[in-house]
Amino acid sequence: AQKITQTQPGMFVQEKEAVTLDCTYDTSDPSYGLFWYKQPSSGEMIFLIYQGSYDQQNATEGRYSLNFQKARKSANLVISASQLGDSAMYFCAMREGGGGSYIPTFGRGTSLIVHP
Amino acid sequence: DVKVTQSSRYLVKRTGEKVFLECVQDMDHENMFWYRQDPGLGLRLIYFSYDVKMKEKGDIPEGYSVSREKKERFSLILESASTNQTSMYLCASRRDRGVSGELFFGEGSRLTVL
Repeated sequence: AQKITQTQPGMFVQEKEAVTLDCTYDTSDPSYGLFWYKQPSSGEMIFLIYQGSYDQQNATEGRYSLNFQKARKSANLVISASQLGDSAMYFCAMREGGGGSYIPTFGRGTSLIVHP
Repeated sequence: DVKVTQSSRYLVKRTGEKVFLECVQDMDHENMFWYRQDPGLGLRLIYFSYDVKMKEKGDIPEGYSVSREKKERFSLILESASTNQTSMYLCASRRDRGVSGELFFGEGSRLTVL
């Protein structure tokens, strides 16, 4: 069974609108963390945002926010005011356990295209 | 500026050749990773290393080996390349302190095996 599920292979959004990219996860460990990465066409993966399982508030980083719903085991990425440069692949990832040397598990990714 | 550098962006090799993919990081990170990325499959972990001379198998180690003789360098080796190893290979590193540390990735090496 997949530990990270991204159900949207592709998404389209109009420039300046908000978009939500879905991510659900599966873990029985009470301590875990969720990451989102962006991969432009150049290939390099870029870290966007992190949410820990014990964090009380949803994480935000500029135009990125993470809609963390623990009971539903979802960690959706919200991009506000989309820009053309947001067109990329987006990957959700999870680490399990509280140790320092964790191994992250990645979802299959969502391709986002921003239209002008 | 922190950096993970992969030696080759694009490689074309023939079946049966030995292939070396090199990765160097300048952040003094303890942990290093090699992933394989294929369309629709996301990132799959091949090998990782917690420290110098230490390595652990990931989810798909078959057909690959790794070497970490120095902290900053993590090499992926395809002993005898096959066409099903045509893929994008991503190297990443991470500091082994704290639980929220993100991965830093290189730009990827796109390998084609003919």
